[in-house]
Amino acid sequence: QKEVEQDPGPLSVPEGAIVSLNCTYSNSAFQYFMWYRQYSRKGPELLMYTYSSGNKEDGRFTAQVDKSSKYISLFIRDSQPSDSATYLCAMSVLTQGGSEKLVFGKGTKLTVNP
Amino acid sequence: DVKVTQSSRYLVKRTGEKVFLECVQDMDHENMFWYRQDPGLGLRLIYFSYDVKMKEKGDIPEGYSVSREKKERFSLILESASTNQTSMYLCASRGPRDRGSSGNYGYTFGSGTRLTVV
Repeated sequence: QKEVEQDPGPLSVPEGAIVSLNCTYSNSAFQYFMWYRQYSRKGPELLMYTYSSGNKEDGRFTAQVDKSSKYISLFIRDSQPSDSATYLCAMSVLTQGGSEKLVFGKGTKLTVNP
Repeated sequence: DVKVTQSSRYLVKRTGEKVFLECVQDMDHENMFWYRQDPGLGLRLIYFSYDVKMKEKGDIPEGYSVSREKKERFSLILESASTNQTSMYLCASRGPRDRGSSGNYGYTFGSGTRLTVV
């Protein structure tokens, strides 16, 4: 079982739809939970991060973490064509040396059609 | 805003060549990372550095080495390039973590270097 599982899609929705993106994980040691957005031929950019279970909202985006179920979600309300990108979940964990690294899901490719 | 700059957007190298990928950040961050990104495999951590001259292996270090002689610069070295190292290489940096609700978690990525080994 992979540490982080993410449905690669692709996902295609009409403009204005609510989008739900999800990841599951198996490692209880994950600490921070993040969502990145990556446009074609660009590096990932951080959208949201959270530390604890619950919801965090930022404009049209809501990140949800359920540590008991090892499940995280990103909701996009009123989706726009400019939201078309690959969305990556990522989780931080301490290494054996005491440093921190990120483990990524494989990404979900989202297309929002005008 | 933090800027992470990768010196080349596209590179084509021959099998067996020694290849250097350079990454520079401008925010005095201690932590820097090298990932590769492949279709169907996602981002995988190659090496990272938590201070000058300090490094730690990631999940797929074989065939790679790194150098961090100055805080702002982190180099990825392919000792003898092979075709299976054809990939998108992404550098990232991270500063101190701010646990506050309005804090910035601080991982910033460069735009990537697409390396083709022929």
